[in-house]
Amino acid sequence: DTAVSQTPKYLVTQMGNDKSIKCEQNLGHDTMYWYKQDSKKFLKIMFSYNNKELIINETVPNRFSPKSPDKAHLNLHINSLELGDSAVYFCASSQGPVAPEEQYFGPGTRLTVT
Amino acid sequence: AQSVAQPEDQVNVAEGNPLTVKCTYSVSGNPYLFWYVQYPNRGLQFLLKYITGDNLVKGSYGFEAEFNKSQTSFHLKKPSALVSDSALYFCAVRDRSNQGGKLIFGQGTELSVKP
Repeated sequence: DTAVSQTPKYLVTQMGNDKSIKCEQNLGHDTMYWYKQDSKKFLKIMFSYNNKELIINETVPNRFSPKSPDKAHLNLHINSLELGDSAVYFCASSQGPVAPEEQYFGPGTRLTVT
Repeated sequence: AQSVAQPEDQVNVAEGNPLTVKCTYSVSGNPYLFWYVQYPNRGLQFLLKYITGDNLVKGSYGFEAEFNKSQTSFHLKKPSALVSDSALYFCAVRDRSNQGGKLIFGQGTELSVKP
């Protein structure tokens, strides 16, 4: 039983296209996150949602739009893809945003923009 | 500004020897501290965390970490390394006042354990 799952695992697309990445968690957690890992393996938070409400929005281009239809799902839509968007995108979840609970990560989506 | 530093890009250890992966942080107040491990082509897995109390924290797979407030460090240790411990290790910090659960990660340290 996968705790945090992401689809697709790999995504290859051309510049200018629009694409979405989906994330689902079956842990009953209230909080979900999107992280970006660049080619140097550096990890940075992009967004955080708690009970479907946006609580963290880092300085991410507005071409990136997260959507949380319910607290078990957090999707990431990217418009007008650019070469610099190539990275591995990780979804994560935790019980809540306040308590110091560990975050559970999905397997990642490797996005390649050509 | 909050930051986490892992001064070594790579650590090489012989199997059976002790290992240390270093982490220092800069956060106002008393942070929560975490270690995660990433195996190739996988997501991050939680190893251990420091919240309060005993400075020595024990975690998964025989790992432990020592919180040192005066040196603002949280080094990861294991008494006897295994080849299967080879992976990318991330230290992360979270400001206690942060209400969003935001983790700030170090740049990662590649651990290589040779037989």
